[in-house]
Amino acid sequence: AQSVTQLGSHVSVSEGALVLLRCNYSSSVPPYLFWYVQYPNQGLQLLLKYTSAATLVKGINGFEAEFKKSETSFHLTKPSAHMSDAAEYFCAVSGRDSSYKLIFGSGTRLLVRP
Amino acid sequence: GAGVSQSPSNKVTEKGKDVELRCDPISGHTALYWYRQSLGQGLEFLIYFQGNSAPDKSGLPSDRFSAERTGGSVSTLTIQRTQQEDSAVYLCASSFRGIGGQPQHFGDGTRLSIL
Repeated sequence: AQSVTQLGSHVSVSEGALVLLRCNYSSSVPPYLFWYVQYPNQGLQLLLKYTSAATLVKGINGFEAEFKKSETSFHLTKPSAHMSDAAEYFCAVSGRDSSYKLIFGSGTRLLVRP
Repeated sequence: GAGVSQSPSNKVTEKGKDVELRCDPISGHTALYWYRQSLGQGLEFLIYFQGNSAPDKSGLPSDRFSAERTGGSVSTLTIQRTQQEDSAVYLCASSFRGIGGQPQHFGDGTRLSIL
């Protein structure tokens, strides 16, 4: 069964600093991987997805993530944080067998200091 | 509309009452999903529809929970005899097809509070 671990329930960065949010997955077969962002009182918005094409995936709002099979990781990065990036970020996995179901990590709340 | 629409956005009800939550997916999306988001359990899958059929109901917590979808479009999640542990945000999502790698598009959720 697939699972996702997000290290750090809260991450705090200064405006303009690098953002790094960590995600590790557990799966016997490389799965489909997603990052979603959730702003207060809103649903989840897709940032980017990995579906076995390029290992470096570019998403919206300047975010990108790199799939590393050897490390079973899919960390999310952004070179320079903006105040508007403050939100909760979820990593999710779906398997290639039951590919419809998303299994989510516990989420990381990003705080951006002025 | 362009996105997934859920109603009501907020629902407060007394313990023991029944509630119905509605989801209107993106037009043309055949796959529809319900998830629950709560402080203690995070984001949990509840049920998946492909058209009007629900091939996977494995996430429904108890037989008090049921869902249906009609016309391959609108879905209703019903909770009977609500309990305080049912308090959560219920999120609906849809995708073009329920197959690998397709992103799921989420509504803003229904925040359910059981008094």
